[in-house]
Amino acid sequence: SQKIEQNSEALNIQEGKTATLTCNYTNYSPAYLQWYRQDPGRGPVFLLLIRENEKEKRKERLKVTFDTTLKQSLFHITASQPADSATGFCGSSNTGKLIFGQGTTLQVKP
Amino acid sequence: NAGVTQTPKFQVLKTGQSMTLQCAQDMNHNSMYWYRQDPGMGLRLIYYSASEGTTDKGEVPNGYNVSRLNKREFSLRLESAAPSQTSVYFCASSERGVNGYTFGSGTRLTVV
Repeated sequence: SQKIEQNSEALNIQEGKTATLTCNYTNYSPAYLQWYRQDPGRGPVFLLLIRENEKEKRKERLKVTFDTTLKQSLFHITASQPADSATGFCGSSNTGKLIFGQGTTLQVKP
Repeated sequence: NAGVTQTPKFQVLKTGQSMTLQCAQDMNHNSMYWYRQDPGMGLRLIYYSASEGTTDKGEVPNGYNVSRLNKREFSLRLESAAPSQTSVYFCASSERGVNGYTFGSGTRLTVV
């Protein structure tokens, strides 16, 4: 069955460093991957979408990569700030409906 | 511009009671979705509606029914609530999945 997995261990980094979240998928080839952030008590908020024919996408301090050989997407936040602390989710689809990973909690310490 | 509005925000039910969670979007999106979120499980798709007049099962549909009332509204019904349905429920909408989903703020449901 289709599976999408994220590292469920929390990621703790120092302010100013680059945070990297990992998303791996198995048993299918998604047409695109999406990344979201979720703050406690709120709904997820869309950040970036990357298609299977795109290697990399950037938006301000955010960068997403899509490696179809490794079946993996990486989400980078450069020059991280305490306000970046949240849970990051990746979602994948090849049929229009998103299946999400379990999320990785990022804590940026000042 | 409200985006996706969910009601109610909180609900406590007794086992066996029924209720309907309401969701409305004002972005003229074709597709709408219901997810549940449990600790450590991420977001799991319950049902979705790719367009007005269609609905399909997601990963965890058992115990739920949905109605796509019109293009704006997509409701989720629990006919006989069970403690295993204690969760946070999120509604989302998108334009056929591209350019991201817009999520509501969630309904926190407790079944005792």
